[in-house]
Amino acid sequence: GAVVSQHPSRVICKSGTSVKIECRSLDFQATTMFWYRQFPKQSLMLMATSNEGSKATYEQGVEKDKFLINHASLTLSTLTVTSAHPEDSSFYICSARDLQGETQYFGPGTRLLVL
Amino acid sequence: AQTVTQSQPEMSVQEAETVTLSCTYDTSESDYYLFWYKQPPSRQMILVIRQEAYKQQNATENRFSVNFQKAAKSFSLKISDSQLGDAAMYFCAYRAGTYKYIFGTGTRLKVLA
Repeated sequence: GAVVSQHPSRVICKSGTSVKIECRSLDFQATTMFWYRQFPKQSLMLMATSNEGSKATYEQGVEKDKFLINHASLTLSTLTVTSAHPEDSSFYICSARDLQGETQYFGPGTRLLVL
Repeated sequence: AQTVTQSQPEMSVQEAETVTLSCTYDTSESDYYLFWYKQPPSRQMILVIRQEAYKQQNATENRFSVNFQKAAKSFSLKISDSQLGDAAMYFCAYRAGTYKYIFGTGTRLKVLA
């Protein structure tokens, strides 16, 4: 089946630093990747949609200068949280859609803690 | 705007019994997809079942089946012969032409031994 990996699985950083999260589709090419944020005991909130080779489309209320997304290839998308603050602490999940598919396959998530 | 509603924050079921999780949605589209995802404590989202709106036949995957009522905009998940490993958060999701998912708020399923 389709497998999506994320790295790192968890990260702790100091306030003001930047953190990069990688999302890879391991056995398929992902036309589109999605980045979600999930607060404890809540649903997934879509942050942005990224298509390979083009700029990401951000959802309303998501700061594009704070959450930088790069989709450099059909198997890799990165999310960089710039100048992270404690309120950015959350669980970040990526997903990927293959070239033909109607289904999103999710990565295992990254827990970010900003001190 | 499309919305997805899961009205049951939490459900319990006895092991080996059957449980049904509810999901309703609102859309003006005629062509769309509906999904149920499971999120266990590991927080890995796992696809449980998928339904294409143009198909009248309800989707089935082993112990999991759906009752898709297009006119009523209802998409419930039935889990038969519940197992301890079925305990998780279950999210209903809707997807139309943009490929973006809209998720419901989730239902926490507890399985009692």
